[in-house]
Amino acid sequence: EADIYQTPRYLVIGTGKKITLECSQTMGHDKMYWYQQDPGMELHLIHYSYGVNSTEKGDLSSESTVSRIRTEHFPLTLESARPSHTSQYLCASSETGLAGGPTDTQYFGPGTRLTVL
Amino acid sequence: QKEVEQDPGPLSVPEGAIVSLNCTYSNSAFQYFMWYRQYSRKGPELLMYTYSSGNKEDGRFTAQVDKSSKYISLFIRDSQPSDSATYLCAMGEGIGGYALNFGKGTSLLVTP
Repeated sequence: EADIYQTPRYLVIGTGKKITLECSQTMGHDKMYWYQQDPGMELHLIHYSYGVNSTEKGDLSSESTVSRIRTEHFPLTLESARPSHTSQYLCASSETGLAGGPTDTQYFGPGTRLTVL
Repeated sequence: QKEVEQDPGPLSVPEGAIVSLNCTYSNSAFQYFMWYRQYSRKGPELLMYTYSSGNKEDGRFTAQVDKSSKYISLFIRDSQPSDSATYLCAMGEGIGGYALNFGKGTSLLVTP
């Protein structure tokens, strides 16, 4: 069982507010990811990190930013929330070579459901 | 054309039925194939992991990959109400690749 945590689980906030979604993992995984998931749609990668001080944007354009100062921690920040940011945000982590293959097997947190009014 | 296609369902079956879930893909570079199960309001959890073509069995679950047809399947035997969830297929290229490509997920309901 994966040990990856996200807080808060649910967040309702007004337009223009700054928010930070927290993600922590206790497995020592080097790679971490943020996905956005809307009902009936694919998971879309918005940010990823290969390790401390490494961050990259994913396939889906996002106005959010991330940081990776510690291995276990990968927070996502929205400077000014808008209703278009309403979605489920999923954090994941992986260790290269897990399960015997070079592709990373990703383990997901429970998600943060964000609603921006 | 999306790289991964998955019928969203919903799929409703009686308890004890054999369930077949499928995905097709277009990128012949995909080598690693995964199935995730996602319960309502939870994150996806890894169910099965398969490399290249072939079958893999784990309890009531069997994953099949046919790379020649670009088609993967997940079979659930003796389905239980607790199997009711959304099942997402995911696949990746492997070496040097960071991204998994996900299907939209198939919603499964197993009725008692």
